[in-house]
Amino acid sequence: QKEVEQNSGPLSVPEGAIASLNCTYSDRGSQSFFWYRQYSGKSPELIMFIYSNGDKEDGRFTAQLNKASQYVSLLIRDSQPSDSATYLCAVMDSSYKLIFGSGTRLLVRP
Amino acid sequence: EADIYQTPRYLVIGTGKKITLECSQTMGHDKMYWYQQDPGMELHLIHYSYGVNSTEKGDLSSESTVSRIRTEHFPLTLESARPSHTSQYLCASRDSGHATEAFFGQGTRLTVV
Repeated sequence: QKEVEQNSGPLSVPEGAIASLNCTYSDRGSQSFFWYRQYSGKSPELIMFIYSNGDKEDGRFTAQLNKASQYVSLLIRDSQPSDSATYLCAVMDSSYKLIFGSGTRLLVRP
Repeated sequence: EADIYQTPRYLVIGTGKKITLECSQTMGHDKMYWYQQDPGMELHLIHYSYGVNSTEKGDLSSESTVSRIRTEHFPLTLESARPSHTSQYLCASRDSGHATEAFFGQGTRLTVV
C-alpha cells in the first residue's frame, strides 16, 4: 500500500464549478498535510496546509482533514481554466519525511 | 519568492561520468529533501536530511549519495551516471515544526546519453 494515495484523474469540471480532490494516507502518526499545485514542467507550489481536524479555508480553496478516516481533501470553488494543473497531496509522516501522492490532474473547461 | 537554488538547470552527460547536482538555500532551514520526478509522474523521495551531518535514504532506491556539511547546502552525487538516471531532480527545504511548508528549487533536468 502506498503511503499517500490519490486518484490520478483527469478530473474534468466546467468553469465556475466546484472541484473536489481527495487523498488518503496510511501512517496514522502523520502530523501535517499539504496541497501543492504543479504546472507541467514547473516545480510544485504550495496552495495550503492543514494539521487539525476539520476545515481550513483560504480564498477559493478549502482543505478538509479527517484523521480518524486518514483522509484529506481540497475543494476549489469557482474553478477557473488557470486552475488546470496537477494537484499533489503531501503528508509529513511520523518520521518527518515529506511524502507526496501521485497527483490528480485537474482540467477546468471554459 | 523562495530562496532555494539548484544548479545546473539542465545537464546532458555521457554514461559513466560522475556528476554533482547542487542545492542551496538561504533560509536557514534544517530539513532538506531530494525528489526524483519523471515527466507526468509522481515525486519520489530519494534522500532527506534533518540537519548538518544527518542524511537518510528515502522510499525510492537510488544509486545517488548526498552530504550535509553545511546547513545551507545539500548536494546530490551520482558516481557513475547511467541512462536510467535520466529524470528531473527537485530539491526542497523546510523549517522545523510540523506545520511549515516545503519550498522547492527550480529543478535539474538530467539526461544521460
